[in-house]
Amino acid sequence: AQSVTQLGSHVSVSEGALVLLRCNYSSSVPPYLFWYVQYPNQGLQLLLKYTTGATLVKGINGFEAEFKKSETSFHLTKPSAHMSDAAEYFCAVSDQGNFNKFYFGSGTKLNVKP
Amino acid sequence: DVKVTQSSRYLVKRTGEKVFLECVQDMDHENMFWYRQDPGLGLRLIYFSYDVKMKEKGDIPEGYSVSREKKERFSLILESASTSQTSMYLCASSVGQGADWGYTFGSGTRLTVV
Repeated sequence: AQSVTQLGSHVSVSEGALVLLRCNYSSSVPPYLFWYVQYPNQGLQLLLKYTTGATLVKGINGFEAEFKKSETSFHLTKPSAHMSDAAEYFCAVSDQGNFNKFYFGSGTKLNVKP
Repeated sequence: DVKVTQSSRYLVKRTGEKVFLECVQDMDHENMFWYRQDPGLGLRLIYFSYDVKMKEKGDIPEGYSVSREKKERFSLILESASTSQTSMYLCASSVGQGADWGYTFGSGTRLTVV
């Protein structure tokens, strides 16, 4: 089974600062990769995904992520944090044998300070 | 927009009760999933289904069963609820391919077993 590691269960940034949320996966075969966001008391919403092609992927709300095969990483970034970005973020990867089955990381809660 | 609707946002049940969590999607998706979400553990897959009357065990199926009699509906059943099953339950659906590929989540059901 795949495993997904999100470094840092809590990340705190100031409004306007760079957001960097880290995600590493374990796979010898490049999987499909996803970032989801969860606002309080809601389900998860897709931010962006990488399947094939360009390794720098742009998503909603100004977020982007870069797939780095050599580092088995898919870190999420945003140049300037907004208060509305405060939420929990989950990285997910597809199963090698079944691309419809996803494995999720344990999540990173982003706090944005005014 | 694709909608995944979970019938209850909050449920309180007694130990030993049989509990049904219902999930309905309105976009003719083939795949449906049940996850539970616990702090620090991320999302863990309980069961999934690729088609009507088909089901497969996920990573933590013990104490749960599922039913998919119609394509749009996927039910999670707790045969005899225990306090260890107190959690947030998330249903998701997905289409198997194409630009829209990826999970669409419901808003979740927070189950408390007392």
